[in-house]
Amino acid sequence: QKEVEQNSGPLSVPEGAIASLNCTYSDRGSQSFFWYRQYSGKSPELIMSIYSNGDKEDGRFTAQLNKASQYVSLLIRDSQPSDSATYLCAVNGGGGGNKLTFGTGTQLKVEL
Amino acid sequence: EAQVTQNPRYLITVTGKKLTVTCSQNMNHEYMSWYRQDPGLGLRQIYYSMNVEVTDKGDVPEGYKVSRKEKRNFPLILESPSPNQTSLYFCASSNHITEAFFGQGTRLTVV
Repeated sequence: QKEVEQNSGPLSVPEGAIASLNCTYSDRGSQSFFWYRQYSGKSPELIMSIYSNGDKEDGRFTAQLNKASQYVSLLIRDSQPSDSATYLCAVNGGGGGNKLTFGTGTQLKVEL
Repeated sequence: EAQVTQNPRYLITVTGKKLTVTCSQNMNHEYMSWYRQDPGLGLRQIYYSMNVEVTDKGDVPEGYKVSRKEKRNFPLILESPSPNQTSLYFCASSNHITEAFFGQGTRLTVV
């Protein structure tokens, strides 16, 4: 079982729609959760971090965390073509060392 | 401007020729790490460092070396590169449990 799992996609949504990206993780001791956006050939860029159960909103982005279900998601409202990218879920384990474990990413395509 | 700087951005080399990829950060972060990214495999950690002179293996350390003589620098060394080390490499830095900041990436091809 992979430590951090994401559906590779591609996930296609029309412009203006809500895109929903999901991630599950295996380490129950995980403390910190991040969503990175990566354009092709570029470096990952942090877009959201979440540390406690519930929702966290930042502009068009909402991160949701459910530690009991070991599940973290990212919602993108009013999706734009510029949101087309690969979204990486990253989890910081609770065992110290500040190690980030990444999922393989979900490719999002926002269509005109 | 806060940043992580990697050099070179692109490198083509031959099997067995030692190379070093440099990484420098100006955020006074304690934690630095190296990742490689391959299609279908995602980002995998090669080595990490929790502070000066403190380094440890990540998930895929074979064929790589690192050093951390200064807080801001964390070079990645390939003593004898092989074609299976052809990949996209990223350096990252962070403080304790906070988000990681990534360098621009180094695309390495070993022929």
